[in-house]
Amino acid sequence: GAVVSQHPSWVICKSGTSVKIECRSLDFQATTMFWYRQFPKQSLMLMATSNEGSKATYEQGVEKDKFLINHASLTLSTLTVTSAHPEDSSFYICSARTSDETQYFGPGTRLLVL
Amino acid sequence: GNSVTQMEGPVTLSEEAFLTINCTYTATGYPSLFWYVQYPGEGLQLLLKATKADDKGSNKGFEATYRKETTSFHLEKGSVQVSDSAVYFCALSARTGNQFYFGTGTSLTVIP
Repeated sequence: GAVVSQHPSWVICKSGTSVKIECRSLDFQATTMFWYRQFPKQSLMLMATSNEGSKATYEQGVEKDKFLINHASLTLSTLTVTSAHPEDSSFYICSARTSDETQYFGPGTRLLVL
Repeated sequence: GNSVTQMEGPVTLSEEAFLTINCTYTATGYPSLFWYVQYPGEGLQLLLKATKADDKGSNKGFEATYRKETTSFHLEKGSVQVSDSAVYFCALSARTGNQFYFGTGTSLTVIP
């Protein structure tokens, strides 16, 4: 099946610093990738849709200047949390969509901002 | 609009019990339907899917049938194991646009 990787799996950073999370589709090309945020014991909240070669589409209430998304190739999308604060601590999950509309998810990145 | 309503949890079952997790949906058009499973601390794994009415998705003993007449996609397993303990998400992909619509997730705990 299709495999999506995320790196890093864990990151701890100081408040005010920026953190970059990578999402890669390992065995297929994905023109569309998605970034989600998940709070404990809750469902996934879609943050943005990442389109290869164009600007990301952000969901309402998600600050595009804070959560920078770049989808520079058909196998890589990155999410950069800029000037991170403790309230940005969360579990971030990416997914990549295949041609049959199935989304395959990465293993997630747990971010802790001190 | 599009939405997914999923049975609330948590669900606790004894090993070898029968499992049903209900999922109903509303959609414009003819969506694809999915079940994903999330183990603690991990991302979501595709469990099974169905792309049209009356299709049955199956994997690892789990089954779900796409019922257009009842707009449902209930997840079933005849005999659960302790290793099935996880959170299960029902999801819908509309034919138009990119977005997935997720249910709230159902936590399953299987006790020996």
